[in-house]
Amino acid sequence: QKEVEQDPGPLSVPEGAIVSLNCTYSNSAFQYFMWYRQYSRKGPELLMYTYSSGNKEDGRFTAQVDKSSKYISLFIRDSQPSDSATYLCAMSWDTGTASKLTFGTGTRLQVTL
Amino acid sequence: NAGVTQTPKFQVLKTGQSMTLQCAQDMNHEYMSWYRQDPGMGLRLIHYSVGAGITDQGEVPNGYNVSRSTTEDFPLRLLSAAPSQTSVYFCASSYVVLDGVPGELFFGEGSRLTVL
Repeated sequence: QKEVEQDPGPLSVPEGAIVSLNCTYSNSAFQYFMWYRQYSRKGPELLMYTYSSGNKEDGRFTAQVDKSSKYISLFIRDSQPSDSATYLCAMSWDTGTASKLTFGTGTRLQVTL
Repeated sequence: NAGVTQTPKFQVLKTGQSMTLQCAQDMNHEYMSWYRQDPGMGLRLIHYSVGAGITDQGEVPNGYNVSRSTTEDFPLRLLSAAPSQTSVYFCASSYVVLDGVPGELFFGEGSRLTVL
């Protein structure tokens, strides 16, 4: 079993829809949770970073962490065609000086007009 | 600032050949790392470095070597290429971590390697 599980999609939604992306994990030591966005043929870029259970909002994006269920989510409101990308969840623990992350496989999202 | 720069962007090798993927960053980040990305497998850590002269293995280090002689550069060497090393390789860097909190990773645009 992988440490981090993520539905690969693809997920296709119409413009304006609310999108829910999810990851589950098995390692209870994970404390830090991130979402990266990756456009086609580009490197990933950080979208959201949360340290604790609960919600964090940034514009149209909301990251949610439920440590008791080992489950994290990313919600996108009023989705736009420019949101079409692959979304990768990533997580880590107290790593000393190294920013070692464990990534999910990514969910490909397509927002259609 | 250029950020993280990877070269080459594309490379085709024959089985048994060796090559070096170059990575340079201009953000004065102490931490640098190499990941490979394969369909259905996500990003997997190959090697990482927490500063010049210090390197360590990640999840999938076999067949790869690294060195870190300067803060800016972190090359990845394929010793004897195999078809299983066909992948997209990403270099990433991060600022110094405080109190064990991992920093944001800044990624390059990737190097696409095909081994025939």
